[in-house]
Amino acid sequence: DQQVKQNSPSLSVQEGRISILNCDYTNSMFDYFLWYKKYPAEGPTFLISISSIKDKNEDGRFTVFLNKSAKHLSLHIVPSQPGDSAVYFCAASGSGGGADGLTFGKGTHLIIQP
Amino acid sequence: DVKVTQSSRYLVKRTGEKVFLECVQDMDHENMFWYRQDPGLGLRLIYFSYDVKMKEKGDIPEGYSVSREKKERFSLILESASTNQTSMYLCASSTNSGSQETQYFGPGTRLLVL
Repeated sequence: DQQVKQNSPSLSVQEGRISILNCDYTNSMFDYFLWYKKYPAEGPTFLISISSIKDKNEDGRFTVFLNKSAKHLSLHIVPSQPGDSAVYFCAASGSGGGADGLTFGKGTHLIIQP
Repeated sequence: DVKVTQSSRYLVKRTGEKVFLECVQDMDHENMFWYRQDPGLGLRLIYFSYDVKMKEKGDIPEGYSVSREKKERFSLILESASTNQTSMYLCASSTNSGSQETQYFGPGTRLLVL
């Protein structure tokens, strides 16, 4: 049973426009959510996170929105740049200490068109 | 900056061989993790450790073991490699900070089992 779902395997966006990547989760015990970016043949790089006590977190061009009632989060990238082309993973962790592994979605491949 | 290094970027092994994947982090993190990444499946947790000599099974531990003799080093062992263990292996580390942590990943080891 997939607890973190990214339903779009790929997304194509024109350079300069907004990219919106979506993620849904089923486990109500999750209280911390992260987005990672991954280039081919490299490890994932942490991008931005949000705690369940917030509904928005912003860092430069990246904003993550959390809708707890819908168990949905999204990552907005504005404006999109060619270097943003990568696979983006949504991840979640539960309460009870910081030692547990993260639960990842399957990823969305973002392609920024020139 | 957190630095997580993995001993090899690429490995080719034969079926039945014993394989060691090494991971070292330099930030004195308590927690270390091993994931594998496969196309269409995202990242899946194999094992993790929250202290020296401690280990916990993740979602897919079968066919793997781990060793954590020192805080900075976490090894993944394939006792008898099989072709279905061909994958990208990713090591991560994190520190305890309340109930939430961000994991930092190494560059990955791409393993091919023939």
